[in-house]
Amino acid sequence: DQQVKQNSPSLSVQEGRISILNCDYTNSMFDYFLWYKKYPAEGPTFLISISSIKDKNEDGRFTVFLNKSAKHLSLHIVPSQPGDSAVYFCAAGDQGAQKLVFGQGTRLTINP
Amino acid sequence: ETGVTQTPRHLVMGMTNKKSLKCEQHLGHNAMYWYKQSAKKPLELMFVYNFKEQTENNSVPSRFSPECPNSSHLFLHLHTLQPEDSALYLCASSQVASGVYEQYFGPGTRLTVT
Repeated sequence: DQQVKQNSPSLSVQEGRISILNCDYTNSMFDYFLWYKKYPAEGPTFLISISSIKDKNEDGRFTVFLNKSAKHLSLHIVPSQPGDSAVYFCAAGDQGAQKLVFGQGTRLTINP
Repeated sequence: ETGVTQTPRHLVMGMTNKKSLKCEQHLGHNAMYWYKQSAKKPLELMFVYNFKEQTENNSVPSRFSPECPNSSHLFLHLHTLQPEDSALYLCASSQVASGVYEQYFGPGTRLTVT
């Protein structure tokens, strides 16, 4: 039973446009959500996070939105740049239990 | 050295071999983790160590044996592995505190079992 799902294995976006990556979760106990970015031959790099008491968190070009009623979060990247091409993972955590549950990842390709 | 380092980066071993993966964190964190990433699967948590004590073993087979001698170092001892154990093994660390969830990852060890 996959508690965190990223239903799009890949996404292709033109440089300068907005990239929207989506993530759904099933466990209502999750209270913290994170996005990680992974380049080939490197470990995942923490990007941005949001707690369940908020519905939006912004950091530069990156914004994460949380819709608790729909159990859905999304990552918006605007404007998209070629260096954003990577695999993006969403993850969810439960009350500081340290058990992060990860989605399968979405491969984002930014086309010049 | 900064961040989280892992050695070796690549490892090929036979099913009868014994080998160890090493992880070191330079972030002053007090918790460390082992994850497994198989092809086309999500990252799977294997073990969690808080202040050198194992607090989580996510039903991992005994052919994987973790060791955490101090809060900066973490090992994963491997013996009599199976070909399906071939995967990317990632180490992570975090600072355990109220409301803090961010984990920081090393580059991983790509393991191939022949």
